[in-house]
Amino acid sequence: AQSVSQHNHHVILSEAASLELGCNYSYGGTVNLFWYVQYPGQHLQLLLKYFSGDPLVKGIKGFEAEFIKSKFSFNLRKPSVQWSDTAEYFCAVNEGGSYIPTFGRGTSLIVHP
Amino acid sequence: GAGVSQSPSNKVTEKGKDVELRCDPISGHTALYWYRQRLGQGLEFLIYFQGNSAPDKSGLPSDRFSAERTGESVSTLTIQRTQQEDSAVYLCASSLGAFLPRNTQYFGPGTRLTVL
Repeated sequence: AQSVSQHNHHVILSEAASLELGCNYSYGGTVNLFWYVQYPGQHLQLLLKYFSGDPLVKGIKGFEAEFIKSKFSFNLRKPSVQWSDTAEYFCAVNEGGSYIPTFGRGTSLIVHP
Repeated sequence: GAGVSQSPSNKVTEKGKDVELRCDPISGHTALYWYRQRLGQGLEFLIYFQGNSAPDKSGLPSDRFSAERTGESVSTLTIQRTQQEDSAVYLCASSLGAFLPRNTQYFGPGTRLTVL
């Protein structure tokens, strides 16, 4: 069965620090990749996604993620975080022909002002 | 229009009781998903509805769990004879179509279920 690993469960940064959250998956075939974010008190929402084309994907609020097929990874990055980026971040993967995503357990990011 | 709504927002019940959770998807969204999120865990797929097709129930953890959807509108998730391990946040999501890369999932606020 497909699995998704988010190795960093809790990350604490100061404003302006750079961010990289890891995401690795186990499926060897065609995949679609997603990062979701849940800000405090808000619904889970899509941050960015990859399904074809340029493996470097730009999302909202200055986030980006790079799909590295050889490493089975889809790490999330932001060069300079803000206090408002404090949230829970979830990586999700679905196999090319499937409509059911598998989610990682999430990373809690706290950004100190 | 409005986003995905869920009710109740919180539910506390006693072990052995039945509970019913409701999800109102975004109007026109044919795909509807139910997930469970236990404390400190990722989202666990439960069931998927797509239009008038038979639902995919492969994620339901036991026969105590069931769900229905009326056409392309409201869905209810029923848990019978609740157990303490059923305590979790139950999330509903809807999307315009089934192919996820082209159809964004929109999530509701969730129902926090606590089984005493």
